[in-house]
Amino acid sequence: AQSVTQLGSHVSVSEGALVLLRCNYSSSVPPYLFWYVQYPNQGLQLLLKYTSAATLVKGINGFEAEFKKSETSFHLTKPSAHMSDAAEYFCAVSQGASSEGGKLIFGQGTELSVKP
Amino acid sequence: DSGVTQTPKHLITATGQRVTLRCSPRSGDLSVYWYQQSLDQGLQFLIQYYNGEERAKGNILERFSAQQFPDLHSELNLSSLELGDSALYFCASSGRVGSPLHFGNGTRLTVT
Repeated sequence: AQSVTQLGSHVSVSEGALVLLRCNYSSSVPPYLFWYVQYPNQGLQLLLKYTSAATLVKGINGFEAEFKKSETSFHLTKPSAHMSDAAEYFCAVSQGASSEGGKLIFGQGTELSVKP
Repeated sequence: DSGVTQTPKHLITATGQRVTLRCSPRSGDLSVYWYQQSLDQGLQFLIQYYNGEERAKGNILERFSAQQFPDLHSELNLSSLELGDSALYFCASSGRVGSPLHFGNGTRLTVT
């Protein structure tokens, strides 16, 4: 069975500091991995996705994530935090198999706070 | 704008009642997914439809049901509502398997 673990339900950084949000996954087959962001009172917006083409994936708003198979990790980073990055971030995994229908299994989310 | 439309945005109802949530997927997407988001359970997958047929089922209660119509819009029916059903209900759609899900802005259900 697939699962996702996000380490740290709350992360606080200063504006301009490095953002690191951790995600570890469990999957019996090569996974599809995603990061989504949710701003207050809004739906989830796709930040980036990994689909085996490249291990370092660049997304929107300056975010990127690196797939490390040996560590079963897909951590999200951004070199310099901006106040507008404050939101909740979700890591998700999909097996992509037709029998599973492509549904996403989400982690519990990490709330990012950015201090001025 | 994700292209996924959910109505209504807010719904307040009483215990024991029945409600219907509606979702229109992005143009061209055949798959529709329903998720429930609550503070204690996080984002839980409920059910998926593909081109009118049920494809995958998650933690969906027997009091809940869904369907996808020929025009690909979907409805999630919640009956015999309980206080614990209060949550945000998201609909998402996608194209081919493995492609990202695109989420609507959700329906916030409050059961009083």
